[in-house]
Amino acid sequence: EDQVTQSPEALRLQEGESSSLNCSYTVSGLRGLFWYRQDPGKGPEFLFTLYSAGEEKEKERLKATLTKKESFLHITAPKPEDSATYLCAVHPGGGADGLTFGKGTHLIIQP
Amino acid sequence: NAGVTQTPKFRVLKTGQSMTLLCAQDMNHEYMYWYRQDPGMGLRLIHYSVGEGTTAKGEVPDGYNVSRLKKQNFLLGLESAAPSQTSVYFCASSYSWGQPQHFGDGTRLSIL
Repeated sequence: EDQVTQSPEALRLQEGESSSLNCSYTVSGLRGLFWYRQDPGKGPEFLFTLYSAGEEKEKERLKATLTKKESFLHITAPKPEDSATYLCAVHPGGGADGLTFGKGTHLIIQP
Repeated sequence: NAGVTQTPKFRVLKTGQSMTLLCAQDMNHEYMYWYRQDPGMGLRLIHYSVGEGTTAKGEVPDGYNVSRLKKQNFLLGLESAAPSQTSVYFCASSYSWGQPQHFGDGTRLSIL
């Protein structure tokens, strides 16, 4: 069974305090790993796709990396507007075409 | 540039009532999906479609039906609503297999 586990469940940081969110996964043939941001009352907003171990993607203060068993979302010098829930999802190699999501990390950046 | 639009945004139903949730996308995407999001759980796939006229079951399809009569629209139906179907429902679309999915802002559904 495909599984995605995100940690920590919640994280509170001071503005400018860098940290990393973890996404560990077990899937039968990874076709892609996706990171999304979700604000309260909104749908998930696409951030990154990673397809192979060693791949890295960056966008502003965010950097996503991928290994064979996990992915990290590194947040450098975060600002209050980075506060959101960050979701990790995998596209398995077989079975249904949809994504398998983790439960998310709720990130709060305090000014 | 609307992207994925879901209607209605909120709805309250009584047990046993029926309703249809509408999803429309203007990105000419082939693939469309319906998910539900419950507290303490990740998004779970209900049904999906890989093209006009096609549908397939996801992880939690029981109690739901779908139709994709037009490429841009994907309908989710509840024939006899149950309290366990109280949830936030998200529609998504993608250009093709394995490509990023783009989500609407959800329909918040309460079944009393």
